[in-house]
Amino acid sequence: QKEVEQDPGPLSVPEGAIVSLNCTYSNSAFQYFMWYRQYSRKGPELLMYTYSSGNKEDGRFTAQVDKSSKYISLFIRDSQPSDSATYLCAMSAYSGYSTLTFGKGTMLLVSP
Amino acid sequence: GAVVSQHPSWVICKSGTSVKIECRSLDFQATTMFWYRQFPKQSLMLMATSNEGSKATYEQGVEKDKFLINHASLTLSTLTVTSAHPEDSSFYICSALPGLAVDNEQFFGPGTRLTVL
Repeated sequence: QKEVEQDPGPLSVPEGAIVSLNCTYSNSAFQYFMWYRQYSRKGPELLMYTYSSGNKEDGRFTAQVDKSSKYISLFIRDSQPSDSATYLCAMSAYSGYSTLTFGKGTMLLVSP
Repeated sequence: GAVVSQHPSWVICKSGTSVKIECRSLDFQATTMFWYRQFPKQSLMLMATSNEGSKATYEQGVEKDKFLINHASLTLSTLTVTSAHPEDSSFYICSALPGLAVDNEQFFGPGTRLTVL
């Protein structure tokens, strides 16, 4: 079993839809959870960062972490064509100078 | 915001040659830089962690003699793929960690696409 599982998609939705992206993981030591957005042939950019279980909202984006189920989610409200990208979840056990374990990424396509 | 650049953005080389990729932090000093490799439709896989002024730490399965990393200054790390072969063709991405990391954020470069013929 891989440490982080993420459905690669593609996930196709119409503009304005609510998008749900998810990752599951097996390492109970993970405490820090991140979502990155990666456009084609570009480096990832950090969207959301959460520590331990709970919710975090930033504009149209909401990140949820359920450590008991080892399950994290990213919700995108009022999706836009410009949201079309690959979304990578990442997690780590320690803050500071630790390394990240990434999911494969889910490709999202938002059609006008 | 923090900016990380990579050069070149893409490179094509013949099998057996060496290729050097540069990673620069443009507006901050990076004590630590990471090198990742990403195959199509695959996750970013950490190759090595480099700290300024010391030897890089390589992940299991990554050949340190093939992927030479030099972190000579607080703003520059280089990855040299020696004797490149077609299976080394991939997207190489670096990231940099500011000296005082905030919320575990690494700043990623735009990546370098390597094609070995």
